Amino acid sequence: EVQLVESGGGLVQPGRSMKLSCAASGFTFNNYDMAWVCQAPKKGLEWVATISYDGSSTYYRDSVKGRFTISRDNAKSTLYLQMDSLRSEDTATYYCARHDWYFDFWGPGTMVTVSS
Amino acid sequence: DIQMTQSPASLSASLEEIVTITCQASQDIGNWLAWYQQKPGKSPQLLIYDATSLADGVPSRFSGSRSGTQYSLKISRLQVEDIGSYYCQQAHSNPNTFGAGTKLELK
Repeated sequence: EVQLVESGGGLVQPGRSMKLSCAASGFTFNNYDMAWVCQAPKKGLEWVATISYDGSSTYYRDSVKGRFTISRDNAKSTLYLQMDSLRSEDTATYYCARHDWYFDFWGPGTMVTVSS
Repeated sequence: DIQMTQSPASLSASLEEIVTITCQASQDIGNWLAWYQQKPGKSPQLLIYDATSLADGVPSRFSGSRSGTQYSLKISRLQVEDIGSYYCQQAHSNPNTFGAGTKLELK
């Protein structure tokens, strides 16, 4: 059974950093691209970033380029999202998802609140 | 970026009713279209991919169709467990973009 479990969310001040993790199991992690998708409170879904199966390629939405870094450790079957220079508009639930053209499996999400 | 215009924003329907949700793509995306269901307080789940293919474990009352750049999700006989929000997503090009969502409620 595919399982994705995010961790690392919480309350953070504007301008500070936070690192999210996503532990994957139930599939061969290093065969799949992985992604982060966010959802602001009461809002819709927004793709944030994707990393290729081997970590050689990364893609970001414009609003996070230069501030967020997606990475992975295939030996640990873990996906990461380093978020720097956080803004209030980054407040959202962040989902880890397997990105096989479509987002075919999702974690339960971790909430990030950016506020002073 | 490709815009996905989803309608309606909200919908109230009765049990056993037929429900249809549509998404209009701002340019040709072929069949690179998925539908997701998000139940209250839960993460999204893939329902339909490649515009018309049912994801594993999805009931056959769900179906997807395409007419040009307009895509539709149909629920043939609404059940109580279908209540939630629905989103379309294009996978044709980066950035992958979602529709704004449709909130489906029981009448």
